[in-house]
Amino acid sequence: KQEVTQIPAALSVPEGENLVLNCSFTDSAIYNLQWFRQDPGKGLTSLLLIQSSQREQTSGRLNASLDKSSGRSTLYIAASQPGDSATYLCAVTGANSKLTFGKGITLSVRP
Amino acid sequence: DAGVTQSPTHLIKTRGQQVTLRCSPKSGHDTVSWYQQALGQGPQFIFQYYEEEERQRGNFPDRFSGHQFPNYSSELNVNALLLGDSALYLCASSPVPSSSYEQYFGPGTRLTVT
Repeated sequence: KQEVTQIPAALSVPEGENLVLNCSFTDSAIYNLQWFRQDPGKGLTSLLLIQSSQREQTSGRLNASLDKSSGRSTLYIAASQPGDSATYLCAVTGANSKLTFGKGITLSVRP
Repeated sequence: DAGVTQSPTHLIKTRGQQVTLRCSPKSGHDTVSWYQQALGQGPQFIFQYYEEEERQRGNFPDRFSGHQFPNYSSELNVNALLLGDSALYLCASSPVPSSSYEQYFGPGTRLTVT
């Protein structure tokens, strides 16, 4: 059974700091990995999708990497801003196209 | 191009009642999946519909059932509501039921059971 872990559960950083959010998964037989952003009480916004054959994806200040063999992914946020404050979830897709999510990391960026 | 839409936005029900939630997939998508997100948790997969049939199911009781219509929209029905069913219910769509494709999520329906 696939398990996805995100540690720590919460993170607080000063504005302008570069930061890394970690995600680990137990079964390396994945098709892809997605990073999502969730604002309080809202739905999920997809940030980046990395296919299993890829090593990384970039979008603006965000960069996500994937090491399938070790079961790890990182989301790098450059020059963090207060508007980046949200919960960040990673999810992996298995052969049955089911997404398995971590519990998320709640990020607070202090002005 | 409208993304995934869900209705209603919020819903309050009493224990034992039944509820129906609705989802319209993104244009061009024919596969719909439903997820339950309890407070402070990651979303949990409920089931997936494709070609009007349930294709995959997560670890949820039979009280949770669904339907997909010919226009690809979908409903999630929950019978005999329990307090523990209070959650954000998310709908996701993809162009085909393939693991290689990105899934797009709707804004969710917040269900509160009292």
